Amino acid sequence: DAGVTQSPTHLIKTRGQQVTLRCSPKSGHDTVSWYQQALGQGPQFIFQYYEEEERQRGNFPDRFSGHQFPNYSSELNVNALLLGDSALYLCASSSGLAGGNEQFFGPGTRLTVL
Amino acid sequence: AQRVTQPEKLLSVFKGAPVELKCNYSYSGSPELFWYVQYSRQRLQLLLRHISRESIKGFTADLNKGETSFHLKKPFAQEEDSAMYYCALSVYNTDKLIFGTGTRLQVFP
Repeated sequence: DAGVTQSPTHLIKTRGQQVTLRCSPKSGHDTVSWYQQALGQGPQFIFQYYEEEERQRGNFPDRFSGHQFPNYSSELNVNALLLGDSALYLCASSSGLAGGNEQFFGPGTRLTVL
Repeated sequence: AQRVTQPEKLLSVFKGAPVELKCNYSYSGSPELFWYVQYSRQRLQLLLRHISRESIKGFTADLNKGETSFHLKKPFAQEEDSAMYYCALSVYNTDKLIFGTGTRLQVFP
């Protein structure tokens, strides 16, 4: 099991563009969460998907949207990119929604907005 | 407001010295707290959680509800403990994690 995988590894975009990041959860996991980690900061929760629905959302604008597919993989979409969206985007997977579960993190996608 | 505070950005110690990484939290309910660690060139991974009350790699952390703290301790630091450490709080009945800003631990030989 490769664990949580994310693609691409790095991405460079310009302001105003749109971007899609992808995540495959660890085998056996059905819940996917996305985090944004700016330089020098801890990860910040964006949203969480379970059973193809957004279950929890952090304090991020509607420009950030996502999707979960029947195979539990997930996408994070960001529209109208701003310079401040430059960050490492982490995907984490877990099992169920009971809470307090261990989150397994992917290696992240480094997004640079110019 | 839900918040996790790690007051130290960097903690430097010599091998064999005791280590304490501080973590304070603000949460209205009953918290579930975690320590995650990121070694160089590796992904973020769970080190320990308060509900399991276990020692991992010699590290322990006790939840102090009176002081709203969850400090991470190790009596004798090793060079391989050098890493970035994040304290995190899990919102009740979800897997949403609120992270602190992290503390970089450097252990010198």
